[in-house]
Amino acid sequence: QKEVEQDPGPLSVPEGAIVSLNCTYSNSAFQYFMWYRQYSRKGPELLMYTYSSGNKEDGRFTAQVDKSSKYISLFIRDSQPSDSATYLCAMSATAAGNKLTFGGGTRVLVKP
Amino acid sequence: NAGVMQNPRHLVRRRGQEARLRCSPMKGHSHVYWYRQLPEEGLKFMVYLQKENIIDESGMPKERFSAEFPKEGPSILRIQQVVRGDSAAYFCASSTTDSGGNTIYFGEGSWLTVV
Repeated sequence: QKEVEQDPGPLSVPEGAIVSLNCTYSNSAFQYFMWYRQYSRKGPELLMYTYSSGNKEDGRFTAQVDKSSKYISLFIRDSQPSDSATYLCAMSATAAGNKLTFGGGTRVLVKP
Repeated sequence: NAGVMQNPRHLVRRRGQEARLRCSPMKGHSHVYWYRQLPEEGLKFMVYLQKENIIDESGMPKERFSAEFPKEGPSILRIQQVVRGDSAAYFCASSTTDSGGNTIYFGEGSWLTVV
């Protein structure tokens, strides 16, 4: 079983809808949680970074971490066609983020 | 993504040849990481380097793969005697310190195809 599980999708939503993404993990040592966006044939771009449990909001993006359930979420409000991409969750056990463990990614398609 | 430069962006090698992938970190960054992304999979950590030092190579295959980050010049990921299973996207990332994922920036990747 993978350390980090993520539904591969694709997740198709109409423009303006809320996109809801999540990952589950098994390693209780993970404390630092990240969400990356990756367009086709491009490098990952960091969207959100969260330490431990709680919520964090940045513009249209909200990240939630529930360490007791080993479950993290990313919500994208007012989705746009330009949000169509693969979203990767990543996590690490230490502040030294050299070894990130990634989920497999969820493909999101926002239809105009 | 701006600033971490990888080349070549695309590389085709025949089985048994060598592949060399180069990475220039963002200006001022002294920590370099290599990740591999196999088709339809997430990124997998390979190696973490500082100038002239390999800090963590726990994700590197035991044979044929090596990495370096010399005092001068880019970091190099070297794959000897490539096989079809090496076909993947290889991403380099860099950071100023080892202080967490929020400071890690990825390059655009090098796509290796082994024929």
